Amino acid sequence: DAGVIQSPRHEVTEMGQEVTLRCKPISGHNSLFWYRQTMMRGLELLIYFNNNVPIDDSGMPEDRFSAKMPNASFSTLKIQPSEPRDSAVYFCASSEQGTLNTEAFFGQGTRLTVV
Amino acid sequence: KQEVTQIPAALSVPEGENLVLNCSFTDSAIYNLQWFRQDPGKGLTSLLLIQSSQREQTSGRLNASLDKSSGRSTLYIAASQPGDSATYLCAVPNSGYSTLTFGKGTMLLVSP
Repeated sequence: DAGVIQSPRHEVTEMGQEVTLRCKPISGHNSLFWYRQTMMRGLELLIYFNNNVPIDDSGMPEDRFSAKMPNASFSTLKIQPSEPRDSAVYFCASSEQGTLNTEAFFGQGTRLTVV
Repeated sequence: KQEVTQIPAALSVPEGENLVLNCSFTDSAIYNLQWFRQDPGKGLTSLLLIQSSQREQTSGRLNASLDKSSGRSTLYIAASQPGDSATYLCAVPNSGYSTLTFGKGTMLLVSP
């Protein structure tokens, strides 16, 4: 398996524009996570899906952020409108059955810069 | 709420040294603990997963220990090499959830 695949790897956008980040989890994994990493706050969970259903979205900063998982092999994280403070690296991760008993595998991340 | 602390924040050692990275967590009711490696500009690579029933887990020159009662884990790296230079993060599942709480990481530099 190619691992968790994220696209794009880098995104530079202007403030106010819509940004869509994409993730393809490892085949057979039924849990998917979106994390955000910044120097100040480290890695923070944004949202967690299990079997394509959002289970915990308490980490989503505000209504400008939304995430979907239309099927087991694809998820998106959308920011609309984007703001400079959204600049960060966004990671997608997947695991077989949550992380209670199994490893989480991370993608390479999307580095987002909002100018 | 689970909190994870990693000490030291940064570590610089000469090649060949054995070293220990520390991780502590506030809620000891964990199912497992996972150590990751992150290279600059890259994603996280899983190194070791220790189940709560285990006390140690080994992979090559890496050995991770877990003491749930004291809320601590250590990652031991034997005979360090320049290629070990990276940031090492530990993470634990949040109580009752399948999500992970991460420490801020230890940035390791191994000089030749």
